[in-house]
Amino acid sequence: GNSVTQMEGPVTLSEEAFLTINCTYTATGYPSLFWYVQYPGEGLQLLLKATKADDKGSNKGFEATYRKETTSFHLEKGSVQVSDSAVYFCALRSPKLTFGSGTQLTVLP
Amino acid sequence: ETGVTQTPRHLVMGMTNKKSLKCEQHLGHNAMYWYKQSAKKPLELMFVYSLEERVENNSVPSRFSPECPNSSHLFLHLHTLQPEDSALYLCASSQLGLAGNTGELFFGEGSRLTVL
Repeated sequence: GNSVTQMEGPVTLSEEAFLTINCTYTATGYPSLFWYVQYPGEGLQLLLKATKADDKGSNKGFEATYRKETTSFHLEKGSVQVSDSAVYFCALRSPKLTFGSGTQLTVLP
Repeated sequence: ETGVTQTPRHLVMGMTNKKSLKCEQHLGHNAMYWYKQSAKKPLELMFVYSLEERVENNSVPSRFSPECPNSSHLFLHLHTLQPEDSALYLCASSQLGLAGNTGELFFGEGSRLTVL
């Protein structure tokens, strides 16, 4: 079956540090890939997505590239802010949506 | 504001109580979902409704009973729950196409349930 593996958290960074959250997947067919973010006290919201190999999704300074050869969709941001503190979920759809277990990010001022 | 509204935001109930969670979506979507989010566990898909028909039920105990009276409303009726059912219950909606679910999910803010 399909699965998503994310790096375990929690991740703690200082403001303006570089962020990488690793995500790898196994899936049949050609899945679409997503990153969702959950801010404290809120539900999940879509951060970015990519629907085919080599696509790069980007939003709010975050980026992730769909790498079919390594079955990865790592999330990156060049300079994190305190307001980026949240839980980040990697997910795939093929055709059902499968979520990773989430990675807690805390950014300190 | 995601267009998906859940009430109540917080609920505390005893194991013998009967309560309901409500979800309403204002996005014109044709599919709605219930997810359970527990601490340190992946999101668990509980139920999926497409065009008001239940199309997925992921081995959820019968003490959870969903109801979808129309495409905009989804309920989760709760009866004789256990303390381990304490969690954040998230509702979501999406637009299903002919090829299945090709779109993103829009989530509500969740209902935090505590079972004493």
